[in-house]
Amino acid sequence: GEDVEQSLFLSVREGDSSVINCTYTDSSSTYLYWYKQEPGAGLQLLTYIFSNMDMKQDQRLTVLLNKKDKHLSLRIADTQTGDSAIYFCAEISSGNTPLVFGKGTRLSVIA
Amino acid sequence: DAGITQSPRHKVTETGTPVTLRCHQTENHRYMYWYRQDPGHGLRLIHYSYGVKDTDKGEVSDGYSVSRSKTEDFLLTLESATSSQTSVYFCAIKGQGDAGELFFGEGSRLTVL
Repeated sequence: GEDVEQSLFLSVREGDSSVINCTYTDSSSTYLYWYKQEPGAGLQLLTYIFSNMDMKQDQRLTVLLNKKDKHLSLRIADTQTGDSAIYFCAEISSGNTPLVFGKGTRLSVIA
Repeated sequence: DAGITQSPRHKVTETGTPVTLRCHQTENHRYMYWYRQDPGHGLRLIHYSYGVKDTDKGEVSDGYSVSRSKTEDFLLTLESATSSQTSVYFCAIKGQGDAGELFFGEGSRLTVL
């Protein structure tokens, strides 16, 4: 089946930029997503990108998509302690198939 | 707020007992999903539904059944709970837009002793 891979941990200092990376195998992905999960909570949709785009910016968040290499990244500018959470990458290949999630990257922000 | 309520939010039960988790949505979405989240495994799809009485299996469906007798409710049943089913269970609904994004409930933490 299709697979989504992420590194498990990332630690950054407050004020620095964080870059969370994701690779996927499905060459027919149409949308790719980033979700955030804070402790004890459900997943919150942060942003998504359509596969014909290579970049999307939303305030402190920048999503980069390299479709040739099947690589997705999420950059968080000026990382704050409130950004500490688990970040999940996910993809979908068609409207009716379920999303496939990565295992999540735990971001720790050091004050 | 996507209008998703999961119940119960926490449950402790014993091996061999039946357990039913409920997901309730208020926005008439067609697609609903049950995932489980475990350390080292991320989110794994158990079952999903694409309409009333229309359901399909996900990658970890063994030991679970689902029912959807009305649009707003999607039930997940463990007929005979085992310790390996100790997990956090998340319900999700699919948004109405083209992007197909999912919106998640707050989760149900199940402990099977």
